[in-house]
Amino acid sequence: DAMVIQNPRYQVTQFGKPVTLSCSQTLNHNVMYWYQQKSSQAPKLLFHYYDKDFNNEADTPDNFQSRRPNTSFCFLDIRSPGLGDAAMYLCATSLAGGSTDTQYFGPGTRLTVL
Amino acid sequence: DQQVKQNSPSLSVQEGRISILNCDYTNSMFDYFLWYKKYPAEGPTFLISISSIKDKNEDGRFTVFLNKSAKHLSLHIVPSQPGDSAVYFCAASAPDSNYQLIWGAGTKLIIKP
Repeated sequence: DAMVIQNPRYQVTQFGKPVTLSCSQTLNHNVMYWYQQKSSQAPKLLFHYYDKDFNNEADTPDNFQSRRPNTSFCFLDIRSPGLGDAAMYLCATSLAGGSTDTQYFGPGTRLTVL
Repeated sequence: DQQVKQNSPSLSVQEGRISILNCDYTNSMFDYFLWYKKYPAEGPTFLISISSIKDKNEDGRFTVFLNKSAKHLSLHIVPSQPGDSAVYFCAASAPDSNYQLIWGAGTKLIIKP
């Protein structure tokens, strides 16, 4: 089945220790997104890639970086995690990114910062 | 300014009855609306969507209604089943939104046996 896969599902890191979350997709979609979601709040968009073009949201902290080495994979790097970065991180994809495009989400990675 | 509002934080419905989840929006430029369902500790799952050129879209037990003049949409689930218990998010996008979905705060649906 075509899908969005996130690894690991649960990640524990120490305060200030860099961590990388990964996302892969078999949907062959052009656009990949990273969201942060805390408790039952709405997901907050961090950034997205349209192919190799990177688009950062204005309020995304510099502590968050992303890489997309190819169409299928996208990584979220948190350079120095703080306690406030503990959250669910969601990867999503969409085919073409137009306003009538549907975003499909992976299962998420739950990040704990000790 | 909250452009997409889900005013009911929670809703409790008897199994087998109809569940109606509501969503209001303020931006008349929104042209696509989506409903996502989210279980605890999982990512949102796409349920159903509707384009602004339509006023109804149906998929099995799920129907979304759009009232553009009232800037209101609703999701109907009938009959409601225990597995429908989840948080439901309404989201919208506009041609100039730069790929960003504007999300409501979510409504927690509880299906009672």
